Amino acid sequence: EAGVVQSPRYKIIEKKQPVAFWCNPISGHNTLYWYRQNLGQGPELLIRYENEEAVDDSQLPKDRFSAERLKGVDSTLKIQPAELGDSAVYLCASSPDFQREITQYFGPGTRLTVL
Amino acid sequence: DAKTTQPPSMDCAEGRAANLPCNHSTISGNEYVYWYRQIHSQGPQYIIHGLKNNETNEMASLIITEDRKSSTLILPHATLRDTAVYYCIVRALYNTDKLIFGTGTRLQVFP
Repeated sequence: EAGVVQSPRYKIIEKKQPVAFWCNPISGHNTLYWYRQNLGQGPELLIRYENEEAVDDSQLPKDRFSAERLKGVDSTLKIQPAELGDSAVYLCASSPDFQREITQYFGPGTRLTVL
Repeated sequence: DAKTTQPPSMDCAEGRAANLPCNHSTISGNEYVYWYRQIHSQGPQYIIHGLKNNETNEMASLIITEDRKSSTLILPHATLRDTAVYYCIVRALYNTDKLIFGTGTRLQVFP
């Protein structure tokens, strides 16, 4: 079974530029998460989707961050414009139907460097 | 979700058992103990979870104290590939909510 796929793996941009990250979850997983991980810290949730619906985006900085999950499968996270403090690893995870035991399966992440 | 406390770092010799402790004194009755690990440049990986009984799978064993206020993750024969940051998390089962990661324990396995 293929895991969670993310691209790109690395991205270097200058501040004020836009950037987008893409995630394809494990097939059949209805729940999708975007986390941000700062250096030396554990991941922190940005947004959670149940199918197409964003059910928890309370930690998403909405002035510059946006996300979408069209058709309830893959998802895109965008930052516009990027700031120096946005340098981090952006992780995507997915989990199966909530009626079964829950584990979250993480992708390898996208390491963003803002110069 | 309850908070957890873990030592920031530990060392273990290759081939020996690695015992990683976690304190979760405010755990609720419906909350499970989960362990994830994160190898350098990879996303976190699920290891094991349990409620109150000891659990074992192909990766590790989980020992939870009778009062459920602490637990220990055991890697019975650590290898160099087990070098990673290990996160102890408590959350309710069937909860699709976020995982709340602390700073974890950085385990260094040495030859």
